[in-house]
Amino acid sequence: DAGVIQSPRHEVTEMGQEVTLRCKPISGHNSLFWYRQTMMRGLELLIYFNNNVPIDDSGMPEDRFSAKMPNASFSTLKIQPSEPRDSAVYFCASSSKIDQPQHFGDGTRLSIL
Amino acid sequence: GQQVMQIPQYQHVQEGEDFTTYCNSSTTLSNIQWYKQRPGGHPVFLIQLVKSGEVKKQKRLTFQFGEAKKNSSLHITATQTTDVGTYFCAGPRSGGSNYKLTFGKGTLLTVNP
Repeated sequence: DAGVIQSPRHEVTEMGQEVTLRCKPISGHNSLFWYRQTMMRGLELLIYFNNNVPIDDSGMPEDRFSAKMPNASFSTLKIQPSEPRDSAVYFCASSSKIDQPQHFGDGTRLSIL
Repeated sequence: GQQVMQIPQYQHVQEGEDFTTYCNSSTTLSNIQWYKQRPGGHPVFLIQLVKSGEVKKQKRLTFQFGEAKKNSSLHITATQTTDVGTYFCAGPRSGGSNYKLTFGKGTLLTVNP
């Protein structure tokens, strides 16, 4: 079975540019999570969806960040405009139910110059 | 808000030595999950503990959930180089309809062959 698929694996761009990260959850999983990982702050939950509906976006840093889940098999995390402090590894994870173990994708390593 | 603390932050051992990481929550947890992240990799689910005082084993790994369901530990017997990585505990926010998994900062284990 395919796991959680994220793209791109790496992204290097200049500040001010729009960045879009993509995620395909495991088929049949109802919950999808976006995390950001940095050395300083560890693994932070940004937002999560249940049955394609955003449930908690309190972790989204600011209005420059937005996330969508138009259908059960696709989600995007967008940063516009990007800033150097957004540099981090962004993980997408999915689970069969909201309180079940989460399966992580390989992550997107984002560098904003 | 709920906090999940892990100690130690780092642990370096000689191959064959034992290793233990501890997880403490500021609130009672309905369950606790453990994940392992290899360097450059993504978090991988190891186990979930639900019952007070529960102990589970996976080969050389022993997981324990405290009687008060506010702390947990992971013990590795006779470490091997393949055990290298960061071990995270994660606990859900208790109560309410808004489920949110809070990760500890993790314990980075390095093993000297």
